[in-house]
Amino acid sequence: DTGVSQDPRHKITKRGQNVTFRCDPISEHNRLYWYRQTLGQGPEFLTYFQNEAQLEKSRLLSDRFSAERPKGSFSTLEIQRTEQGDSAMYLCASSPPGGAGNTIYFGEGSWLTVV
Amino acid sequence: AQSVTQLGSHVSVSEGALVLLRCNYSSSVPPYLFWYVQYPNQGLQLLLKYTTGATLVKGINGFEAEFKKSETSFHLTKPSAHMSDAAEYFCAVSDNRKGYSTLTFGKGTMLLVSP
Repeated sequence: DTGVSQDPRHKITKRGQNVTFRCDPISEHNRLYWYRQTLGQGPEFLTYFQNEAQLEKSRLLSDRFSAERPKGSFSTLEIQRTEQGDSAMYLCASSPPGGAGNTIYFGEGSWLTVV
Repeated sequence: AQSVTQLGSHVSVSEGALVLLRCNYSSSVPPYLFWYVQYPNQGLQLLLKYTTGATLVKGINGFEAEFKKSETSFHLTKPSAHMSDAAEYFCAVSDNRKGYSTLTFGKGTMLLVSP
């Protein structure tokens, strides 16, 4: 049973560069989420996909951030013109169809360091 | 809006002692409540959750939590700490008005276990 897979696990980039993270959810999970976690804080919700449709975006998701989920399978999160404040762990999660009480399964995260 | 407050950023216990991690929530609707554990440089793993029904919820690794509506609390306990329990623990609340879950997390409590 494979879990949520994220790639790369670590990324160091220079300020101003673009970065892209990929997430492969658990198969048959039609719901996919992105969260951001900074040191000393809990994860913060960024965006939610149901199948290929992006149904909710947090105000944290500035216009430099874009997420896609083509064909309702894997997802990508791109950050353009990175800033030092973007340094964080980006967590992807997925859940099966159902209500708000369904368990959300998290990946191991992608660490981003902007220098 | 929903929020979660975790009292104590760090809790230290001796191996074999009782573990008590506190969580209070704020929600305008009946909440769904979750506890997740995070080991260093890893994603989050669900310990237990409360959606409806019995207010005392048992989870993995001997943890349990009790939903107390009158106190707006969902404290996590374990009768006897083990060294392997050392990790960061996050309490989260979900808005059950949506058909999906967007978790709001607390800032986390680091559990330190000494021999």
